[in-house]
Amino acid sequence: DAGVIQSPRHEVTEMGQEVTLRCKPISGHDYLFWYRQTMMRGLELLIYFNNNVPIDDSGMPEDRFSAKMPNASFSTLKIQPSEPRDSAVYFCASSSRGVRYGYTFGSGTRLTVV
Amino acid sequence: AQTVTQSQPEMSVQEAETVTLSCTYDTSESDYYLFWYKQPPSRQMILVIRQEAYKQQNATENRFSVNFQKAAKSFSLKISDSQLGDAAMYFCAYRSTGGSQGNLIFGKGTKLSVKP
Repeated sequence: DAGVIQSPRHEVTEMGQEVTLRCKPISGHDYLFWYRQTMMRGLELLIYFNNNVPIDDSGMPEDRFSAKMPNASFSTLKIQPSEPRDSAVYFCASSSRGVRYGYTFGSGTRLTVV
Repeated sequence: AQTVTQSQPEMSVQEAETVTLSCTYDTSESDYYLFWYKQPPSRQMILVIRQEAYKQQNATENRFSVNFQKAAKSFSLKISDSQLGDAAMYFCAYRSTGGSQGNLIFGKGTKLSVKP
C-alpha cells in the first residue's frame, strides 16, 4: 500500500498564475478530503468527495478554488488565479466507508504564492 | 456544529517522563469517534490513537493512552516514557457518525517538545 500520494510536494508560483494540486487516494477508499493548513486558521476542510461525488464544498474559500474527482483514483484542487493569501500546506486524505476509522493523509503540498 | 478545543498551545516534557495533552469537544450527538493525530516536522499527519464514543474502555496503543470522559466531553492523550521522537504537533479530532460523517473536525493543536 503506497498510501495517499500528493504532488507536487512544494510549489512556488507567482500571483495570478494557475496552480493545480494532485492527489491519488488509497485504492478502495471511497472518501477523499482536501484540507488546508495555516498557522492562523489551523486545519480547515475545503471539500470532500464520496464515491467521486462532491458532498460538501462549503469550505472552499471562493470561486478561485475548484476541485474535481474524475475517477476513484485521482483528484485535483485548482486555484485560478492564485493570490499570496493562498500560501499554505494543502493536504489530501482518504478514508474507507467505516466512520470508525480516521483518515490517511498524504504528505501535503506546500504552496507559496509570491 | 461540533467544535474541538485544545487549550494548551505548547507543552514540554522531559525524556522518559509522562505528559498529558488536553482536548475537549462540544457535540449534541451520542455516537461519534475521537482521534489523536501527530504531525512531526516532516508535516506528515500520523494517526496515533482512536476512541469510539460507545466504548467505555479507554483506548491504548503502546505508550499512548487516552482518558475519555464522555459526560465531560473530554479526551486527553497520555504519553508515557516520552521519547525524543514524540516531539511534534498533536491534534485532537472528532468524527460524526451522522449526516456530516465525512468531516473530521480538528483542534488547533498542541506543540510538544521533549527535552533530553
